[in-house]
Amino acid sequence: DVKVTQSSRYLVKRTGEKVFLECVQDMDHENMFWYRQDPGLGLRLIYFSYDVKMKEKGDIPEGYSVSREKKERFSLILESASTNQTSMYLCASRTSVMGSNEQFFGPGTRLTVL
Amino acid sequence: GQNIDQPTEMTATEGAIVQINCTYQTSGFNGLFWYQQHAGEAPTFLSYNVLDGLEEKGRFSSFLSRSKGYSYLLLKELQMKDSASYLCAVRDPPDSWGKFQFGAGTQVVVTP
Repeated sequence: DVKVTQSSRYLVKRTGEKVFLECVQDMDHENMFWYRQDPGLGLRLIYFSYDVKMKEKGDIPEGYSVSREKKERFSLILESASTNQTSMYLCASRTSVMGSNEQFFGPGTRLTVL
Repeated sequence: GQNIDQPTEMTATEGAIVQINCTYQTSGFNGLFWYQQHAGEAPTFLSYNVLDGLEEKGRFSSFLSRSKGYSYLLLKELQMKDSASYLCAVRDPPDSWGKFQFGAGTQVVVTP
């Protein structure tokens, strides 16, 4: 059974703190993605990675950075958390093999920044 | 970039049929996806269309017209467990690592 896991389901941090969100997949997928999901705005892509040590900005990268040192792990970093980064964060992975199309999502991390 | 529109909410009765429309404007297109997301849970894959026409999968069907930038998800014989948000997503080329753009989601409420 395919699996994407995220380090926390719920997280509460204070403004200015450095925050790490971890995502691990066990499917040997090349592509990994970080989204945030807000009411009325849907899923918005923050960053994605199509290979180890490779990263590409998504639609809303400001205030975030990422790290992919190993194929199975993709980390999202909030260098200095702000209240407008309170959101649900979803990680996803996908193979790059032709014909295999879907993204598999993790359970999400609900982050609250006070 | 992509602009993806879908209705915010739809209500239907158990046993009925509901059609969720999705329109998109794209600078590139490499497939349209539908996901289901129950409250507090991760999205799960429902269907994929890359060619025009209808794809049927049990009670769920998805249709695509690339020339019109239009898709719909048809849910038949609605059950209470179908109450969820349904997300329309368009994938950019290339196939190997094209990123997805998601609509805001349509909340479907199934009533007894």
